[in-house]
Amino acid sequence: DIQMTQSPASLSASLGETVTIECRASEDIYNGLAWYQQKPGKSPQLLIYNANSLHTGVPSRFSGSGSGTQYSLKINSLQSEDVASYFCQQYYNYTWTFGGGTKLELK
Amino acid sequence: QVQLQQSGAELAKPGSSVKISCKASGYTFTSYDISWIKQTTGQGLEYIGYINTGSGGTYYNEKFKGKATLTVDKSSSTAFMQLSSLTPEDTAVYYCAREEGGFAYWGQGTLVTVSS
Repeated sequence: DIQMTQSPASLSASLGETVTIECRASEDIYNGLAWYQQKPGKSPQLLIYNANSLHTGVPSRFSGSGSGTQYSLKINSLQSEDVASYFCQQYYNYTWTFGGGTKLELK
Repeated sequence: QVQLQQSGAELAKPGSSVKISCKASGYTFTSYDISWIKQTTGQGLEYIGYINTGSGGTYYNEKFKGKATLTVDKSSSTAFMQLSSLTPEDTAVYYCAREEGGFAYWGQGTLVTVSS
């Protein structure tokens, strides 16, 4: 099974700051990677798919990058509504695995 | 608009089974697989498996073989997941989801609590 290691597990940042969350796959996943945002009591919401494609309706301050085994999610100009947990997920070769999550809080 | 509406919370005793549902609307049901995902505080998000809503064919994550059974009723555009031989470790929120470059659509989640 492909393992996804996400870091950091928690993050504290100020409004307007740029935040980066990383995910490392145990093998090459050929850009088969998605990022999700989840707020308490709600379902995860898709932000990014195919490593760098912005899902419909997602603000442009969110962006994804990476290749091979290393991927990242960047949030530019952090807003209060971005306080949430974030998860990466790989979907290469008909397997699906999630990262452990990052809890983002305001400083 | 695409919607996945799940059944309500379940309280079950150890050793019993539960069957939760996911009713789809807003699209052609048989054009997309439905996946199921487990979320716990300790283990995070785990992929359970998917069902091909057209053929009924299924795929299960090895960990959930024998635990989860996926079925579908095309006439009502509803997917089902039965969880059997429940233990406290099955206590979780279970989601159905539809994939479209990542899981673009999710149900609201069904909390299953296993307790005597």
